[in-house]
This record gives sequence, structure tokens and C-alpha cells, in this order.
Amino acid sequence: DGGITQSPKYLFRKEGQNVTLSCEQNLNHDAMYWYRQDPGQGLRLIYYSQIVNDFQKGDIAEGYSVSREKKESFPLTVTSAQKNPTAFYLCASTPGSGRLSYNEQFFGPGTRLTVL
Amino acid sequence: AQSVTQLDSHVSVSEGTPVLLRCNYSSSYSPSLFWYVQHPNKGLQLLLKYTSAATLVKGINGFEAEFKKSETSFHLTKPSAHMSDAAEYFCVVSDPNRDDKIIFGKGTRLHILP
Repeated sequence: DGGITQSPKYLFRKEGQNVTLSCEQNLNHDAMYWYRQDPGQGLRLIYYSQIVNDFQKGDIAEGYSVSREKKESFPLTVTSAQKNPTAFYLCASTPGSGRLSYNEQFFGPGTRLTVL
Repeated sequence: AQSVTQLDSHVSVSEGTPVLLRCNYSSSYSPSLFWYVQHPNKGLQLLLKYTSAATLVKGINGFEAEFKKSETSFHLTKPSAHMSDAAEYFCVVSDPNRDDKIIFGKGTRLHILP
């Protein structure tokens, strides 16, 4: 089955700790995205990557970091600099062919991060 | 600037009655428009998309949407609601003329009354 997996489903963190959220896809998609979802705010883009070893900041990148060492993997690290990290995090991917804006995004099931 | 507005944060309909979820956008001449559905604690799933072909777009689960350029709208409809339609729905606009930026609406929570 092709798709996107995110792990863990639930994650608890103490203040001051860095945590890494996993995102893996076997769809052979070039582009991958990380979004943060808060109630009533829709999805906000954290980082995206259109190709291996390259990534761009989204609208709310402060306090987050990413890497893209392999096409199928795009992990997100939530650092201690992120002041309000409790949220639902969604990873997505799109095929690389053509303009990105024409393509649907395929989403993972999400990771719910709670800071204790 | 590019933007998308979902006019209702919550919509309640009775099972078997029509559904209307409203979306207005601001973009360039030929945006791409999408509707996604999200069930609780799940990822988003594409319902349908418009990319400058037919203005009436049919999607999955009996949903459809009509692109109206004159009204800058892309409202989502379904003739008869089912209990399984209860979810959150997101309207999304992306503009190939503006660096492929993708903008999500804030979502509309659809409640189905028995």
C-alpha cells in the first residue's frame, strides 16, 4: 500500500526538550510539507521541500527544523525555541511533475504533540 | 494578495437534506482550487479539485463544487447529507502564478443531525 506514515501518533514532551516527528512516504513524490493545525486556524505551513537536500521555510518556521536526506523521509524537529508547540502536526506530499499548485496533496494521519 | 475565506465555521444539517459549505477566494486569473475533508484526529483527504477545466467539478462521496469566477466562489454541495459526512472541510487555493503558494481556509465543521 502506498501512502504517508507519521509516527508517533501521540507525543508528550516536557518543556525545554527537543522532539522529532517522523514522516515517511513511499509514493515516490518529490515534494513534502509540514503543517501545524490548531483549532479554528486551519493549516499553517512550517517547512517544505521540493527536492532532496533542499528545503524552504514556510509561514511559521521559527522554533522548528527539518532535514531531507532521502526522498522518502522528511523529519521535523520541534525545538525548545518553539514557545507554543502543543498542536496537531500533519505531513503531506505531492508529485514533482508539473506545477505544484495543480497537484493534490496527500496527507499522513498526523501526530498530536502535547507539551507537559 | 492571495486568500481564501470559508464563510461558516460550523454548519448543521439534518440527515438527508442538502449540504452547502461556502468558500470565497482572492487570487489571480486562473487559480487551482481544492476541497479537502478531515475526520477527527485524521489526515486530510481530497474531495475534489478545480484546475481550469470544467467549472462544475464532481468529487468523491457525492460532493461537487462549482467555480464561479464572477463571484470568486467555490462552494461545496451535496444533495443529501449522510451521518458519515460529519467532519471538517477545508477550501484551499493555490496560484501557479505566485510561486505555487498554497493557502488553506480555516475550515468548516459539518454537523449532521439525525
